[in-house]
Amino acid sequence: GNSVTQMEGPVTLSEEAFLTINCTYTATGYPSLFWYVQYPGEGLQLLLKATKADDKGSNKGFEATYRKETTSFHLEKGSVQVSDSAVYFCALSDRPGGGADGLTFGKGTHLIIQP
Amino acid sequence: EAQVTQNPRYLITVTGKKLTVTCSQNMNHEYMSWYRQDPGLGLRQIYYSMNVEVTDKGDVPEGYKVSRKEKRNFPLILESPSPNQTSLYFCASSLYRVNTGELFFGEGSRLTVL
Repeated sequence: GNSVTQMEGPVTLSEEAFLTINCTYTATGYPSLFWYVQYPGEGLQLLLKATKADDKGSNKGFEATYRKETTSFHLEKGSVQVSDSAVYFCALSDRPGGGADGLTFGKGTHLIIQP
Repeated sequence: EAQVTQNPRYLITVTGKKLTVTCSQNMNHEYMSWYRQDPGLGLRQIYYSMNVEVTDKGDVPEGYKVSRKEKRNFPLILESPSPNQTSLYFCASSLYRVNTGELFFGEGSRLTVL
């Protein structure tokens, strides 16, 4: 079956540091890949996505590139802020076009940014 | 405002006392789903629904029931709650046919079963 693996953390960084959260996946075929973010006390929301190999998703200064050769979709940001403190979930969908009904989530990475 | 609304947000109950967590969305989404979030286990899908009167089991359906009588509502029913159902529950919805992969989540319902 499909699976998503990511570090659980917590990952603690200082403000303005460079961020990388690793995500690797196992799936048959050509899944679509996603990053969701959960701010304290809220539900998850889509941060960015990529639907085919070598695509780069980006939003709010975050980026992730779909690497089929390494089955990875690492999340990066050049300079984090305290407001980026949240739990980040990597996910994949094996449905054609990336349907939400086929989403498999990783366990989430708790990110803490200190001023 | 487009949203998924869950109630109650917080609930403390006792073993065996039936409860219902309501979920309503105002985006005319076909697809709706329930998840539970537990430390170290991440998000696990309980039940989902592709459309009205169509429901199916997710990864952890034991002890839960759902119904989809109207497109906007997808209640989660715990007939006889047990302490291992203490968790944070999320309802989510999506445009199924568009296949964008974007799930819209409610704010969560924190349930404690004593």
